Amino acid sequence: SQQGEEDPQALSIQEGENATMNCSYKTSINNLQWYRQNSGRGLVHLILIRSNEREKHSGRLRVTLDTSKKSSSLLITASRAADTASYFCATDARGGSEKLVFGKGTKLTVNP
Amino acid sequence: EAQVTQNPRYLITVTGKKLTVTCSQNMNHEYMSWYRQDPGLGLRQIYYSMNVEVTDKGDVPEGYKVSRKEKRNFPLILESPSPNQTSLYFCASSLSGWNTEAFFGQGTRLTVV
Repeated sequence: SQQGEEDPQALSIQEGENATMNCSYKTSINNLQWYRQNSGRGLVHLILIRSNEREKHSGRLRVTLDTSKKSSSLLITASRAADTASYFCATDARGGSEKLVFGKGTKLTVNP
Repeated sequence: EAQVTQNPRYLITVTGKKLTVTCSQNMNHEYMSWYRQDPGLGLRQIYYSMNVEVTDKGDVPEGYKVSRKEKRNFPLILESPSPNQTSLYFCASSLSGWNTEAFFGQGTRLTVV
């Protein structure tokens, strides 16, 4: 069962612009993670944000988490063509679930 | 180099012919998992393992088996593959649960004809 749902499904921007992707989830979580996948390749971990954190940065990436709204956003600033990929949020579920559940992803295209 | 290694990367097989996709990690991780990725459906968990000899079903376990006899290996077994198991498969591992970073293999593209 899908826990996280990304929005939008697809996003196309020009190089240098910022890209924002959103993730909504249904049940309480311990943490939320963002991953990137280049076409047909394995997923690469970007950021993990815990339920007691509101914002986290890593280079050009900024992740926010609003547990009251059960939502998170991933902001990529000053995008580059190399950022073209699919981005997934993933959540565990508070209460004992030992699974990491992924959304369907946002496909980002950065045009040179 | 820390990595999760899957083999084979590509496989075409016929319906009913048993196959095994291997997965090995060199990071001494406790948690391992198998996912399948299909267009429009995202990644769905097939099976996961919290430690040696401990495995449990994910969301789509039908038609698959796993075993965890050693910490580093977590093979995925398709006893009688069917065309609806044509998919892109990923193995992942994590140090001590899914509240830590997951490392993914490069994927196995399986076609069942």
